[in-house]
Amino acid sequence: DGGITQSPKYLFRKEGQNVTLSCEQNLNHDAMYWYRQDPGQGLRLIYYSQIVNDFQKGDIAEGYSVSREKKESFPLTVTSAQKNPTAFYLCASSILGQGARDTQYFGPGTRLTVL
Amino acid sequence: QQPVQSPQAVILREGEDAVINCSSSKALYSVHWYRQKHGEAPVFLMILLKGGEQKGHEKISASFNEKKQQSSLYLTASQLSYSGTYFCGTATSYSGAGSYQLTFGKGTKLSVIP
Repeated sequence: DGGITQSPKYLFRKEGQNVTLSCEQNLNHDAMYWYRQDPGQGLRLIYYSQIVNDFQKGDIAEGYSVSREKKESFPLTVTSAQKNPTAFYLCASSILGQGARDTQYFGPGTRLTVL
Repeated sequence: QQPVQSPQAVILREGEDAVINCSSSKALYSVHWYRQKHGEAPVFLMILLKGGEQKGHEKISASFNEKKQQSSLYLTASQLSYSGTYFCGTATSYSGAGSYQLTFGKGTKLSVIP
């Protein structure tokens, strides 16, 4: 079955530690995205990548880093510089080239809690 | 610029209808509607394209008013399964590679009760 997988589902981190969230897709989608979701805030874009070895900052990139070494994978690292990292993190992917029709599909999410 | 959704929350009894609005301050190229159950991923419902296109999905339909830069989601004869938070994602700016960046509203929480 094609889809987007994120792991782990729940993650606990101590203050001052870096942590990496995994996102893998087997849909052969070109673009991948990371969003952060806080209660009442909707989805806010952290980073996105449209091609391997290239990525762009979103609206709230500070304290986060990403890599795109393979088309299928787009891991997100939450660094110790992120002041308030407790949130629900969603990964999405989409085909490119259909203009405004490009639809994003979401993975199941990772809930990160800083202790 | 984040689109504005209204209402923020609505409670319906089974069988009642609801309308959720999504307004943008920028010109819209498309509007994408999603539904999210608590603790789960948003699920894509439908896309509305520039040109006033109207789409339907079972008993859920939507319209797109290009002139007013807004979209409305219509839920008719609501079912318990319709409960969740509805998000609109608006495509207003080009992000390269033939695509547009989506900006999401804060969501509308819909609760359907027996």
